[in-house]
Amino acid sequence: GENVEQHPSTLSVQEGDSAVIKCTYSDSASNYFPWYKQELGKGPQLIIDIRSNVGEKKDQRIAVTLNKTAKHFSLHITETQPEDSAVYFCAAPYQGGSEKLVFGKGTKLTVNP
Amino acid sequence: GAVVSQHPSRVICKSGTSVKIECRSLDFQATTMFWYRQFPKQSLMLMATSNEGSKATYEQGVEKDKFLINHASLTLSTLTVTSAHPEDSSFYICSARTGAETQYFGPGTRLLVL
Repeated sequence: GENVEQHPSTLSVQEGDSAVIKCTYSDSASNYFPWYKQELGKGPQLIIDIRSNVGEKKDQRIAVTLNKTAKHFSLHITETQPEDSAVYFCAAPYQGGSEKLVFGKGTKLTVNP
Repeated sequence: GAVVSQHPSRVICKSGTSVKIECRSLDFQATTMFWYRQFPKQSLMLMATSNEGSKATYEQGVEKDKFLINHASLTLSTLTVTSAHPEDSSFYICSARTGAETQYFGPGTRLLVL
């Protein structure tokens, strides 16, 4: 099955700076890569996802890039705000087109005012 | 759109009792629902995959008789923790999937077994 590694485990930035979180995956057949934001005591919220037929996707201050050759994808948050503070998880299909997802271990992002 | 609810949000029970958690997709029909467990400061651990009208598929190491899953309709799945013990205390989260790959998560249920 798929193996997803996520780095860094913690990230602290100043308000207004950019934050980048990177994930690597092992299965070259994986074709769907979502990112979730989880605030304390709440369920994960989908913030952006990308499919393997595109290299980049952007939604306002959030973007995801995908490098299929290197098998890694990254979350980019620009102009960070204190409300961006949360734990972020990347995920990939368990096997190729499997409906199950394998999650990274999470990155705790802290945006300091 | 794509809202998933869970009920209850928090439950405290005595050891030996059973607890039922409901997961509902409010504005879409979910072909598949998933149940996860999350320990503090850890990632999501998939417990089982639930398809409407069929038996759930459990992940390795998850006790089927302990965690009963029923997916009676395209908008409702339930997880029953039977004979709960303190080690079952955790944050349980469901997700629902439409025909595409995207999973939408519920707000979670915090279970505390005394």
